[in-house]
Amino acid sequence: GQNIDQPTEMTATEGAIVQINCTYQTSGFNGLFWYQQHAGEAPTFLSYNVLDGLEEKGRFSSFLSRSKGYSYLLLKELQMKDSASYLCAPMDSNYQLIWGAGTKLIIKP
Amino acid sequence: NAGVTQTPKFRVLKTGQSMTLLCAQDMNHEYMYWYRQDPGMGLRLIHYSVGEGTTAKGEVPDGYNVSRLKKQNFLLGLESAAPSQTSVYFCASSETLEGGNIQYFGAGTRLSVL
Repeated sequence: GQNIDQPTEMTATEGAIVQINCTYQTSGFNGLFWYQQHAGEAPTFLSYNVLDGLEEKGRFSSFLSRSKGYSYLLLKELQMKDSASYLCAPMDSNYQLIWGAGTKLIIKP
Repeated sequence: NAGVTQTPKFRVLKTGQSMTLLCAQDMNHEYMYWYRQDPGMGLRLIHYSVGEGTTAKGEVPDGYNVSRLKKQNFLLGLESAAPSQTSVYFCASSETLEGGNIQYFGAGTRLSVL
């Protein structure tokens, strides 16, 4: 079956760095997305990885290892506005996104 | 540029009632999707459409119907609402289906079925 595993909740301090891990098992693989979702709002796109390695985009970076079925999202210089849920979503062989339940990130001053 | 717009934003139904959720996108996207989001679970695909006049079943299609009569609109219908359909419903659209293609989401419809 298809399965996504990411921590339910994480807490970090303003200005610090946090890494949110995601492991996945899918039927085929066509890349992996990370989305951000603030409470009560719609998910918004953060990053996409299809090849192994690190993709950097400002304060956010995303890493992929296809052989390990593993990805992480790295957030640097944390700000209070980064308090949100972060959704890991690999794309299977039918180009359907398989969504994790999300990691709720709490930022403390 | 509004993006993806969902109506209504909130709705309360009694068991057995019917309703239609409307999704409209102004990005000329071919693909549109309906998801539901429940606490502690990932987004689950209900139905999707690969173009005007087409629809296909997703992971959890039972109890829902959809129509895509116009490219910009994707309607989700509940014929006889059940408490298990209490959820937050999100519509999304994308330019293509292939990898790397970003899905853009509407603000959601919060539905309670009593």
